[in-house]
Amino acid sequence: NAGVTQTPKFQVLKTGQSMTLQCAQDMNHEYMSWYRQDPGMGLRLIHYSVGAGITDQGEVPNGYNVSRSTTEDFPLRLLSAAPSQTSVYFCASSYSGDPEAFFGQGTRLTVV
Amino acid sequence: DQQVKQNSPSLSVQEGRISILNCDYTNSMFDYFLWYKKYPAEGPTFLISISSIKDKNEDGRFTVFLNKSAKHLSLHIVPSQPGDSAVYFCAASAGRTSYDKVIFGPGTSLSVIP
Repeated sequence: NAGVTQTPKFQVLKTGQSMTLQCAQDMNHEYMSWYRQDPGMGLRLIHYSVGAGITDQGEVPNGYNVSRSTTEDFPLRLLSAAPSQTSVYFCASSYSGDPEAFFGQGTRLTVV
Repeated sequence: DQQVKQNSPSLSVQEGRISILNCDYTNSMFDYFLWYKKYPAEGPTFLISISSIKDKNEDGRFTVFLNKSAKHLSLHIVPSQPGDSAVYFCAASAGRTSYDKVIFGPGTSLSVIP
């Protein structure tokens, strides 16, 4: 099993550009989520999904969109990148009954 | 205002000694707590958890202690090994399912010196 796979690992964007961070898991987990990690802030929840077709906002959802058309994939879209979105992004998944999550390796995004 | 606090950004410990990482929380609704370990350029990995019905949970060299009245938990690593050098995140949730939002602390960077 590959676990949770995120692509790309690194990305530089110009302000105003859009992009999609990809996340896929092969563990048949119902629950998937996106976090961002900033210095001194820990991991903050952006959006999450409890199953295909169901998504909801986390703590810091502004500037990000998500959709969940399949159990395996949970992409995160930045519609118009801003320097404040410079961060490391982690995708995670878990069984519906467990809060213990499996994380991807992360995407380091820089917006200039 | 951070609901989960790890007031020590970093900690250095000699190999073989005990490492104690502390975590405080403010939300009295939190009843499930987790510790994650993160190496550079990798995602966090789950380490150990504890429910509020317990005050201690042990897994090999790792023990988590929970003091509900003080809203405080700690992770003990005995003995510490160089491979334990990583960032440790404390996390808390109000419920024990994945649907309950998990709040993370800012992390403590542990260095175990050979």
